[in-house]
Amino acid sequence: AQSVTQLDSHVSVSEGTPVLLRCNYSSSYSPSLFWYVQHPNKGLQLLLKYTSAATLVKGINGFEAEFKKSETSFHLTKPSAHMSDAAEYFCVVSEKRGSYIPTFGRGTSLIVHP
Amino acid sequence: NAGVTQTPKFQVLKTGQSMTLQCAQDMNHEYMSWYRQDPGMGLRLIHYSVGAGITDQGEVPNGYNVSRSTTEDFPLRLLSAAPSQTSVYFCAASSGNTIYFGEGSWLTVV
Repeated sequence: AQSVTQLDSHVSVSEGTPVLLRCNYSSSYSPSLFWYVQHPNKGLQLLLKYTSAATLVKGINGFEAEFKKSETSFHLTKPSAHMSDAAEYFCVVSEKRGSYIPTFGRGTSLIVHP
Repeated sequence: NAGVTQTPKFQVLKTGQSMTLQCAQDMNHEYMSWYRQDPGMGLRLIHYSVGAGITDQGEVPNGYNVSRSTTEDFPLRLLSAAPSQTSVYFCAASSGNTIYFGEGSWLTVV
């Protein structure tokens, strides 16, 4: 069975400093992994996805994530935080186990201080 | 491309009322699912479908029904609304490496 653990419920950074949001996954099959962002009272926006191609994935707004199979991790990073990055971030796994039904982590709230 | 269309966007219900959240996709994806989002809980799977005529329960199915008579449509029914069903609901259509979400439905049960 697939599962996702987001290791931090809240991450607080100062504007201009690096961002690290941590995600570990469990999957019995070769998974697809995604990061989504949700701004307050808005829908879900895809930041990036890994689907068994390059292990370093670049997304929108300067975010990137590295798939590390040996560590079962898919951490999200950004070199320099911007105030507009303050939002909720979700790590999502989807595997071929009879159906591609995604499983979500509980989310990490990113707080950016001026 | 409409992708996934989810309606209504906002709804207020009284306890005991029933309603249906509509979800339609125009991408011919086999897999569709419904989630509810609550603070600190992420998105939890309510029901899902792997194709027309096939549905199954997710993590939190109680109080909800679904059907999948066509590939395109996957409505979620609240049979007798309860305050605990106050939440934000998302419908998704997915393939092997792609997930499309509706814009969400904000439901309040009073």
